[in-house]
Amino acid sequence: QKEVEQDPGPLSVPEGAIVSLNCTYSNSAFQYFMWYRQYSRKGPELLMYTYSSGNKEDGRFTAQVDKSSKYISLFIRDSQPSDSATYLCAMSDASNYQLIWGAGTKLIIKP
Amino acid sequence: GAVVSQHPSWVICKSGTSVKIECRSLDFQATTMFWYRQFPKKSLMLMATSNEGSKATYEQGVEKDKFLINHASLTLSTLTVTSAHPEDSSFYICSALPPLGREMGYTFGSGTRLTVV
Repeated sequence: QKEVEQDPGPLSVPEGAIVSLNCTYSNSAFQYFMWYRQYSRKGPELLMYTYSSGNKEDGRFTAQVDKSSKYISLFIRDSQPSDSATYLCAMSDASNYQLIWGAGTKLIIKP
Repeated sequence: GAVVSQHPSWVICKSGTSVKIECRSLDFQATTMFWYRQFPKKSLMLMATSNEGSKATYEQGVEKDKFLINHASLTLSTLTVTSAHPEDSSFYICSALPPLGREMGYTFGSGTRLTVV
C-alpha cells in the first residue's frame, strides 16, 4: 500500500463546475499538507498549504484536511479551462523535510 | 515570494557526455534543496536532498556517482548527469526549502527536460 493514494484520473468536468480532488494517506504522523498544480512540462506550483487539520480558503480554492480520516481535499469553485492541469497532493511529518507525493490527478475543464 | 530559477529548461546531449543543471534561489538563501525526477504522466520521484556545505543524501536506487550534486553556496545547487545515456532522459526538477521553513511551502524550479540521443 502506498503512503499516499490519489486517483490519477483524468477527471473531466464542464466549465463553471465545482471540482473536488482528494488524497488519502496512511501515516498518522503527517502534519504538513500541500496541493500543487503542474502544467505540462513545467515545475509544480504551490496552490495551498495546510498545517494539521482544518480548512483553508484562497480565492476559488479551498483545502480541507481531516486527520481523523486521513483524508485531504482540494475544491475548485467556478472552474475555468485554465485550471486544466495535473494536481498533486504532498505531505510530510514534523521530523522529516521530505515530501511524500500522490500520483497526481489530471484535471480537464471543458469550455 | 520565494523564487527558484532552474536552467536550462531543456537540453539535448549525446550519449556519453555530461550535463549540468543549475538551481538557484533568487531572493532567499536555501540551506536545503531537493532534486526530483519525473517520468511522463508520473509523480515526482525524489532523487536526493542537498544541504549547503555537505554531501547530498541520495535516495535508495539513485547512483550518486552518476548524478553528482553540489550545493556549494546558499543560493546554488547543481545536478550533473555524468556519462548520460538514453535511459537518463527525463524531466528533472529542483525544489528549495524557503527561509521560514516548510510553513510557506516548498518552491520548485520550472524543470529541465533532458533528452539523451
